Amino acid sequence: KQEVTQIPAALSVPEGENLVLNCSFTDSAIYNLQWFRQDPGKGLTSLLLIQSSQREQTSGRLNASLDKSSGRSTLYIAASQPGDSATYLCAVETSGSRLTFGEGTQLTVNP
Amino acid sequence: GAVVSQHPSRVICKSGTSVKIECRSLDFQATTMFWYRQFPKKSLMLMATSNEGSKATYEQGVEKDKFLINHASLTLSTLTVTSAHPEDSSFYICSAPRHAGYTFGSGTRLTVV
Repeated sequence: KQEVTQIPAALSVPEGENLVLNCSFTDSAIYNLQWFRQDPGKGLTSLLLIQSSQREQTSGRLNASLDKSSGRSTLYIAASQPGDSATYLCAVETSGSRLTFGEGTQLTVNP
Repeated sequence: GAVVSQHPSRVICKSGTSVKIECRSLDFQATTMFWYRQFPKKSLMLMATSNEGSKATYEQGVEKDKFLINHASLTLSTLTVTSAHPEDSSFYICSAPRHAGYTFGSGTRLTVV
């Protein structure tokens, strides 16, 4: 059974700091890994999708890496801003179009 | 593009009543829709997979008679929580596959009093 773990569970940083969120998964047989952002009481916004054959994806200040063999992914956020405050979820897709989510990292960026 | 519209965003209902949640794909056809449930500060748990024109597939432990799913068209899937009880209070989110990933609705906060 696939299990996804995200560390840390919560993170508070001052504005402008670079930060790294971690995601690990137990079964390396994945199709892809996706990072999402969730604001309180809202749905999920897709940030980055990394196919299993890829090593990383970048979008603006966000960079996500994938090491499939070790079951790890990181989301790097450069020059953090208060507007980045949200919960960040990673999810891996396995056979049967099944998404398994981690419990998320709650990020607070302080002005 | 690739928007899934979910309604209502919030609903409060009395115990014993039924609540219907709708998810519509606005600019694409969703032959498959996934329904998730999320408890506070917890991850999303897949409840069921709906397929247009056929019966939904439920995850282990999810009562199909409690959570009725209908996917009657390529753009609409509904989840009906029947005879709701306070323990059904939760955040429900739908999702559709899109462009090798998934796009999510904005979620429905259900509170049963």
